[in-house]
Amino acid sequence: GAVVSQHPSWVICKSGTSVKIECRSLDFQATTMFWYRQFPKQSLMLMATSNEGSKATYEQGVEKDKFLINHASLTLSTLTVTSAHPEDSSFYICSASNRREGRTKNIQYFGAGTRLSVL
Amino acid sequence: AQSVTQPDIHITVSEGASLELRCNYSYGATPYLFWYVQSPGQGLQLLLKYFSGDTLVQGIKGFEAEFKRSQSSFNLRKPSVHWSDAAEYFCAASAGGTSYGKLTFGQGTILTVHP
Repeated sequence: GAVVSQHPSWVICKSGTSVKIECRSLDFQATTMFWYRQFPKQSLMLMATSNEGSKATYEQGVEKDKFLINHASLTLSTLTVTSAHPEDSSFYICSASNRREGRTKNIQYFGAGTRLSVL
Repeated sequence: AQSVTQPDIHITVSEGASLELRCNYSYGATPYLFWYVQSPGQGLQLLLKYFSGDTLVQGIKGFEAEFKRSQSSFNLRKPSVHWSDAAEYFCAASAGGTSYGKLTFGQGTILTVHP
């Protein structure tokens, strides 16, 4: 149980284009989803937290107009990297949790990540 | 500020040897504590978690961790390492209140296993 699917796993795009990454909870309701960015050989940096049906909360220093997050349903959140540039190349990972489920509400389940390469 | 520290960036052990990965946290109150494992190019898999109660926590793949409040530590252990355990390990913590559910990660420890 608690499977999170992230798609695509790898995307290459031209500079200036936009890229959408999907994060789906397959067997549970994800009331909250988190988006992380991971640079090579570094830890995960939280970018934003999204609760179903409401606007995402972005961490300090993360451009909300650059990284658009939508969490329209209890099973799907999307991250759109708008007008991508080479410096946006990174590994993006989503996670999901269900805040309504007792003790498991504090557990985040992670997707497999998306490697974005901007040329 | 809340923080999680993994003092060892890289650890090498021989297959069959015991393993201990260190994790220290700095929080106002005891946070929820987690260990995750990440294989190259993959997401994170939860190994085990500590919320409260018994300070020795059993996880998947033969891992265990011990919470020590006096040392603000949550070290991960395995009695006998297998080659498939080679990966990067992250300790993480989260607290309640306004930061509810948000994880703070340590820097990660890369585990190499020699045959």
